[in-house]
Formats: sequence, structure tokens, C-alpha cells
Amino acid sequence: DGGITQSPKYLFRKEGQNVTLSCEQNLNHDAMYWYRQDPGQGLRLIYYSQIVNDFQKGDIAEGYSVSREKKESFPLTVTSAQKNPTAFYLCASSRTGTWQYFGPGTRLTVT
Amino acid sequence: EDKVVQSPLSLVVHEGDTVTLNCSYEVTNFRSLLWYKQEKKAPTFLFMLTSSGIEKKSGRLSSILDKKELFSILNITATQTGDSAVYLCAFNDMRFGAGTRLTVKP
Repeated sequence: DGGITQSPKYLFRKEGQNVTLSCEQNLNHDAMYWYRQDPGQGLRLIYYSQIVNDFQKGDIAEGYSVSREKKESFPLTVTSAQKNPTAFYLCASSRTGTWQYFGPGTRLTVT
Repeated sequence: EDKVVQSPLSLVVHEGDTVTLNCSYEVTNFRSLLWYKQEKKAPTFLFMLTSSGIEKKSGRLSSILDKKELFSILNITATQTGDSAVYLCAFNDMRFGAGTRLTVKP
């Protein structure tokens, strides 16, 4: 089955720790994206990548980092520099210029 | 700065009602407008519009884009409880509005 997976579904961390969220797709899509969604709000773009080994900052990149070493994978690291990391994180992929397919999301809680 | 505004933010209707959701924008280098439905976690794609005035339709849902007036609408006719969700519009595939939460009561 083709799709996009994120793991884990729920993640709990202590303040000051870095944490990496996984995103994998087997749709052969070139573009991949990371969004953050807070309660009652839409999706805010953190980072996106349109090709392997290249990525661009979105609107709220501060405190986050990504890598794109393989076409299938686009992990997101939430660093201790992110002031309010508790949120729902969505990963997506797409063919260039078309709609996005979303993963099931990871809910991160930092205490 | 690109801006996407959806209205209303929330809406409660009864089954069988018709609803119109709005999405207005100020976006540089417009390429496309997309509508997504988010029921629980992952948004799912509904429509993609690139040309003004063309209506896209799928069953009870339809959408139209007005590039001159910079807005789009999503219509849902004969609403059902299964239509309850957050509806998101997005421009150029990456700029999302805050969404409209639609609740359809039996």
C-alpha cells in the first residue's frame, strides 16, 4: 500500500531535550513538508523540501531542523531552542504542483 | 506577506442544510488554491483550482475560484453528519488558512 507514515503517534519529552519525528513515504513524491497545528488553528509550514539534499525554511522554522538524505524520508528535529514545542505535527508529500498527501501526525507533549 | 483568511471560523447546521465556506487571500505568485477536509488527524484533499470561474464538483461538494476578487468558496449541499470536520483552504500548496469547523447536527 502506498502512503505516508509518521512515528510515533504520541511523544512525551522533558523540556531541554531534542526530539526527532519520523516521516516516510513510498509514493515516489519529490516534495515533502512539515507543518505544525495548534488547537483551533490551521497548518503552519515549518520546512519543506522539493528535492533530495535540499530544503527551505517555512514560516516558523526557528527551533526546528530537518534533513533530506533520501527521497523517502524527511525527519524533523524539534530542538530545545523551540519555545513552545507542544503541538500536533503533520508531515506531507506531493508531486510537484499537485495536492499533498498527509501522514497521520505526531502529537508531541513537552513538560 | 501572503495572507489567507477563512470564514466563518465555525458553523453549526442541521442535516439537509446547505453551507458556504469562504476563503479569501492575498498571495504573491498565485498558482493554485486547494481545499482539504480534516476530520480527525490527517487532512484529505478535496479540490484543486487553478483557473478563475471554473467550478469543481464532487457529489454534494463544489468549489469555485474568483481570481479577480481573490476568493474561493466551498459549497456543501444536503449536509450530513459525516460532513462534520474542519475545512482548510491552502494557496500554492503551502499557505493554509485557519480553517472552518463545520458541525452538522442530526
